[in-house]
Amino acid sequence: EVQLVESGGGLVQSGGSLRLSCAASGFTFSSFWMNWIRQAPGKGLEWVANINPDGTKKSYVDSVKGRFTISRDNAMSSVYLQMNSLRAEDTAVYFCGNLRAAYWGQGALVSVSS
Amino acid sequence: QAVVTQEPSLTVSPGGTVTLTCGSSTGAVTSGHYPYWFQQKPGQAPRTLIYDTSNKYSWTPARFSGSLLGGKAALTLSGAQPEDEADYYCLFSYNGPWVFGGGTKLTVL
Repeated sequence: EVQLVESGGGLVQSGGSLRLSCAASGFTFSSFWMNWIRQAPGKGLEWVANINPDGTKKSYVDSVKGRFTISRDNAMSSVYLQMNSLRAEDTAVYFCGNLRAAYWGQGALVSVSS
Repeated sequence: QAVVTQEPSLTVSPGGTVTLTCGSSTGAVTSGHYPYWFQQKPGQAPRTLIYDTSNKYSWTPARFSGSLLGGKAALTLSGAQPEDEADYYCLFSYNGPWVFGGGTKLTVL
């Protein structure tokens, strides 16, 4: 059974940092692109970042470039999102997943107080 | 970055047909945008319905179909059911970053 479990969310002050983790199981993690998407309260989905299977290619939405870093550890079957200089507008539920296989976690809530 | 535009809301009668569309600020949508369609119901994580324009997953009801139509990506629902009432999002690739549309709230009434 495929499972993706996000952790590391919580409440942080504006300007602070958080690191989200996503632990994967049930599939060959090292073969898959991985993504982070987010959804602010009452708003639509927003794609945030992705990383290729060996971690050498990364892309970001403009609003997080220079502040967020995606990384992965294939030995641990995990993908991470380091979030620095957090802003109120980063408040959202963050989901990790793979697009093509349609594997998605249940999300982790990040709340940034201003 | 590009902007992807969807109808904010649509209404369909039970058993009826409706087409949701997604346009791109960069021009015509093509297969090279690898269009995805997601369905999201209140309080739930999004569920992927369509990938690469028109490909379905094992869980995608047969009444949903994806296509390119008039320079846009389209999701057609034929024979709407009450359980199809949800928010629908498209997602496009732009050679690296991806961009979601703003979402369409579909009401079955």
